[in-house]
Amino acid sequence: KNEVEQSPQNLTAQEGEFITINCSYSVGISALHWLQQHPGGGIVSLFMLSSGKKKHGRLIATINIQEKHSSLHITASHPRDSAVYICAVRLSDDMRFGAGTRLTVKP
Amino acid sequence: ETGVTQTPRHLVMGMTNKKSLKCEQHLGHNAMYWYKQSAKKPLELMFVYNFKEQTENNSVPSRFSPECPNSSHLFLHLHTLQPEDSALYLCASSLRGTQYFGPGTRLTVL
Repeated sequence: KNEVEQSPQNLTAQEGEFITINCSYSVGISALHWLQQHPGGGIVSLFMLSSGKKKHGRLIATINIQEKHSSLHITASHPRDSAVYICAVRLSDDMRFGAGTRLTVKP
Repeated sequence: ETGVTQTPRHLVMGMTNKKSLKCEQHLGHNAMYWYKQSAKKPLELMFVYNFKEQTENNSVPSRFSPECPNSSHLFLHLHTLQPEDSALYLCASSLRGTQYFGPGTRLTVL
């Protein structure tokens, strides 16, 4: 069992819909990252969280340390949001990655 | 464009070849990372350098040899690779936690 579990694995939405991607982890962490990977491989770091909530434009990330759970929300989704979203957790001497959630937003 | 560049972008090599991947950043970051992303597998952290010193080596086979001559450059030297080493190799750098990724080198080992 992977120490970082993401759900759903695949998600298709209509433009404008509110999107939620979930990440659960089973290890003690110092920080959690949300990454966005576009076709072709390029990765962009969206958020780094150690507590609470962060917002950047239409993206919101939350983390609950006690429940070992984080969510990434996208408001007013757009086709350009189509990508793979990856949850990554920072351990004391390593990083662990979720398998990713493939999001497709249709116009 | 994240400010992290990687060369080459694509590489095909035989199992007896020796090649090197290069990563460069001029963002003033003090930490640099190599990651491997195989098809249908999660990302894996391979090596971490902080202030040019290697701080993590996650049981990576010795056929992968990292080098960090200064805080702006990171190399991954490859020799006698196996076909299962074919993957996307990503470099990243960071200053205070948030990592900036390069575009990756797609490596195919024949």
